[in-house]
Amino acid sequence: GNSVTQMEGPVTLSEEAFLTINCTYTATGYPSLFWYVQYPGEGLQLLLKATKADDKGSNKGFEATYRKETTSFHLEKGSVQVSDSAVYFCALSDSSSGGSNYKLTFGKGTLLTVNP
Amino acid sequence: DAGITQSPRHKVTETGTPVTLRCHQTENHRYMYWYRQDPGHGLRLIHYSYGVKDTDKGEVSDGYSVSRSKTEDFLLTLESATSSQTSVYFCAIGTGGGAFFGQGTRLTVV
Repeated sequence: GNSVTQMEGPVTLSEEAFLTINCTYTATGYPSLFWYVQYPGEGLQLLLKATKADDKGSNKGFEATYRKETTSFHLEKGSVQVSDSAVYFCALSDSSSGGSNYKLTFGKGTLLTVNP
Repeated sequence: DAGITQSPRHKVTETGTPVTLRCHQTENHRYMYWYRQDPGHGLRLIHYSYGVKDTDKGEVSDGYSVSRSKTEDFLLTLESATSSQTSVYFCAIGTGGGAFFGQGTRLTVV
């Protein structure tokens, strides 16, 4: 079956530090990969996505590259801000079996705290 | 804003009582999902729907049922609530560009 493993954290950084949150996956087909962000008390928001190998998703200074050879989709940001403090979820959607139902399989989430 | 509204946003209920959570979308999407979020587990799929009256189980479906009589509404029912169902429940709609989530319902079973 499908699974997502991500660094569980928590991760604590100072403002302007470099961020990496690791994510690896197992999938039976050719998944699309996503990063979601959840701010305190809110629902999940789609941060970025990649649909095929070597695609790079980017948004709000965050980036992640779909690496099929290492089955990874690590999230990076060059300079984090206090406002980036949130929980980050890696997820995959595998539509190769049974049609496109867009179901997501999530990692357990990584809590990021950025201090001034 | 994907036009997804969950109700209620918060609920406290007693063990053994039935509870229904509602998800309403304004985008006319075919696919809808119910997930639960628990510390240490991320989000886990309870049930999903791929059309009116078409539903299927997810990985943690025991103790839950769903119904979809209209495209815009997807209901999650806990037939007899237990303390293990204390959680935050999220509804989502699915597209090729990713899933879009409601604000969540925090359910406490006492």
